This record gives sequence, C-alpha cells and structure tokens, in this order.
Amino acid sequence: SQTIHQWPATLVQPVGSPLSLECTVEGTSNPNLYWYRQAAGRGLQLLFYSVGIGQISSEVPQNLSASRPQDRQFILSSKKLLLSDSGFYLCAWETGGQAGELFFGEGSRLTVL
Amino acid sequence: GDSVTQMEGPVTLSEEAFLTINCTYTATGYPSLFWYVQYPGEGLQLLLKATKADDKGSNKGFEATYRKETTSFHLEKGSVQVSDSAVYFCALSDLNTDKLIFGTGTRLQVFP
Repeated sequence: SQTIHQWPATLVQPVGSPLSLECTVEGTSNPNLYWYRQAAGRGLQLLFYSVGIGQISSEVPQNLSASRPQDRQFILSSKKLLLSDSGFYLCAWETGGQAGELFFGEGSRLTVL
Repeated sequence: GDSVTQMEGPVTLSEEAFLTINCTYTATGYPSLFWYVQYPGEGLQLLLKATKADDKGSNKGFEATYRKETTSFHLEKGSVQVSDSAVYFCALSDLNTDKLIFGTGTRLQVFP
C-alpha cells in the first residue's frame, strides 16, 4: 500500500535560519506531489506542485523553494526564514488518474521565533 | 477564478445532534467536489467526493449532495459523535489545472 511520510514533525527555528522539510512517498511511482501551508486561522494554501523529477511549479511568490531530486522525494526549503513562515506544512500526493484525490502526510509544524 | 466558501466555525454540538456544514462554490463548468477531514494533529484525509451534478458522496455516516442549481455541497450527518471532532474542508478540483482549491475549513467540536 502507499504511504507518505514527512519530517521533522515539529521544528522551532530562529528568524533568518535555513529550513529543510522532507517528504517521501512509498508504494507508488511518478506521483504528482504538493506542498501546502496551513496558517493559523486560515485555509490551505498551495505552495508548490511537481509532476515529475526536477519539475516544480510555484503558486505563490515567497522566500520558500521546493525541489524533487527523486521520483518519490519532495523537499521544501528556505535560505532565510521569516516570522510569517510559521505554520503547518503538509505534503500530499496523487495519482494521475484521480484528480483531486490527495493523500496527505502527517504534517510538519514550523514555528519561527 | 474558482473559489470555495465555507461557513465559519467553530460549530459546537452535543453528541447525537444533527450536523450541517455549508459549502458553496464558484466555478466555470462542473468541477468535482470534495470534503476532507483533519483530525487533531494530523494531515487531511479524503472523506467523500462527488464528480457530477446530483451525485451524493457518502462515508462514515456523512453525506453531501452536488447541487448545481445552488452551487452547493453541504456536509451532513444525522448523529455526530465525539470522535467526529475535527476540521472539515470543502474543496473543488479546478477543471483547467486539476489542482484542488480548498475552503478555509470549519472546526467541529462535539461534546458528550
């Protein structure tokens, strides 16, 4: 069966420090991959999505970036965190044939101080 | 562009009460509609979906009917349990991009 994992689950970082959140999917190949952010009191904001290795589309201009070095690995990064980057980050995957049916990871809670 | 509007929460109910969480959408064409649920401290899970007008999605006692006339997809459950306490997200699949557009979520709190 397919599984998706994110880590770390919780992260507290100072302003200006770098960030790396990792997401891996098992049990499927060539999935579409997504990074969402859920800020306090707000809905889900799509940050990045990827349809294949090295293919990244950005939805919102910001100081975050994403990379997909392997088929089932999706990484969210920042060189210098801002206070506004605090939130709950969710990775998700979907197969090509079931548009809209996303499978989410457990989430990574980032607090920037 | 396409959008989803949900009722603001929290919705607070006693166990065994009837639940309705309203969701309306704006879209060109007829997108697929979804309800996702997020239990405390977890990621989102697909709860139910409907892909065309008048379809009824159902799962775990929850139901939602795709209403083209009112552009709505309200979530209902006849008798809620404490374990249903979670945040519920309505979403649509954008026909042009295939990406999901989520509502802001509605927190449900069920007390015994």
